[in-house]
This record gives sequence, C-alpha cells and structure tokens, in this order.
Amino acid sequence: NAGVTQTPKFQVLKTGQSMTLQCAQDMNHEYMSWYRQDPGMGLRLIHYSVGAGITDQGEVPNGYNVSRSTTEDFPLRLLSAAPSQTSVYFCASSYSIRTSGTGELFFGEGSRLTVL
Amino acid sequence: SQQGEEDPQALSIQEGENATMNCSYKTSINNLQWYRQNSGRGLVHLILIRSNEREKHSGRLRVTLDTSKKSSSLLITASRAADTASYFCATSPSGAGSYQLTFGKGTKLSVIP
Repeated sequence: NAGVTQTPKFQVLKTGQSMTLQCAQDMNHEYMSWYRQDPGMGLRLIHYSVGAGITDQGEVPNGYNVSRSTTEDFPLRLLSAAPSQTSVYFCASSYSIRTSGTGELFFGEGSRLTVL
Repeated sequence: SQQGEEDPQALSIQEGENATMNCSYKTSINNLQWYRQNSGRGLVHLILIRSNEREKHSGRLRVTLDTSKKSSSLLITASRAADTASYFCATSPSGAGSYQLTFGKGTKLSVIP
C-alpha cells in the first residue's frame, strides 16, 4: 500500500498561471480532503469529498477547484495562482465518515507551492 | 475559523520528562483527534477519542477529554528525542459540518537529549 500520494512535491508558479495538484489513495477511502498549512495558521480545510461525484467547500475554498470522478483520485486545481496561495498543501483521506464524525486521517507528504 | 487551540504554543523539556499539551475547542464534537508532524513531513494520526469517552491510552500517550470544559489534553510520558515534533488537535463537530475536521495551530515540542 502506498497510502496517500501527492504530486508534485515542489512547484514554482508565476502569478496568473494555473496548475493541478494531484492526490491519489489506494486504501478505498470514501473521504478525501485538501488542507493548506501556513506558518502560524495551522491547517485550514480547502475542499473535501465524501465519495465519487460529491464535493464540498471547506474554510478557505476561494481560488481552488476540485472534482472527484473516482474513489482513488482527488485533484486540486488552482485556477489563477496568486502569491497568497504560496503554501504547503496536504491531501488526506479517511475510511470513516458515517458514524461518530470524520475518522482518522491519513496524510500525504505535502506539496510545497511558491507563487511569484 | 479554527475550532481547536493548543496550549502552549511551544514546549521544551529534557529527555525522560513528561510533556503535556492542551487543546480547547468551541462547539460540540463527535470526536477529537491528536496528530504529530515531524518537520517537513505530513501529519500522522496518534489517537482518537470520542465525545462519550473521558480517557484513552496508546503506549506512552494518554489523552483526556472534558466535554463540559470543551478541552482535551495529551500527555506523553518518558519523552524521547524522537518525540520532537509539532502536535495538533483536530475536532470533528457534531451535526452539520461533521465532515469538516478542524485543526488547531499546534504545539511545537522540543525534547532535549
């Protein structure tokens, strides 16, 4: 099992460019999510999905788009990159969403994005 | 907005000592979780405690939950240099939004050999 795999690990963009951060999990988890981590801010939820075809917004969704066409994949799209989107992005998945809230999250190793 | 807030923000102890970190939150929860993050790495789940539980143990970890005070604590006993990391609490709210696991800003623990 590879767990949660994120690509790329590092990326530098210019303002206005678009890109997609890839996330794949091989644990057959229904729940997948994207967080961004900024110094002194902890982790903030961008978007999440509770199954294929179902997505919803988190705390900081503006400037990001997601889709969930398969159980395994949950890509995050930056539509027009801005310096404020410079951050470390984490994808996470979980097996338990129906009882007692969201269960244990399994995290990828992160994608470090710099927008110039 | 962030649901959980850890205290202290940073903690430095000697190897072998116990480390205690606290988490306070604002709304009713289904469960509360603790995670560890080593520098430059992804987060790793440590322990989950449900709202109807008061205490949970896992190896050298002990977590307590007081829903009346909306607070939790993580105790690491007999700390080791390898425990040096940032520790985050995360809450799964009850009711609407229960899928939104919300993290605090973390406690940075340094264990000095």
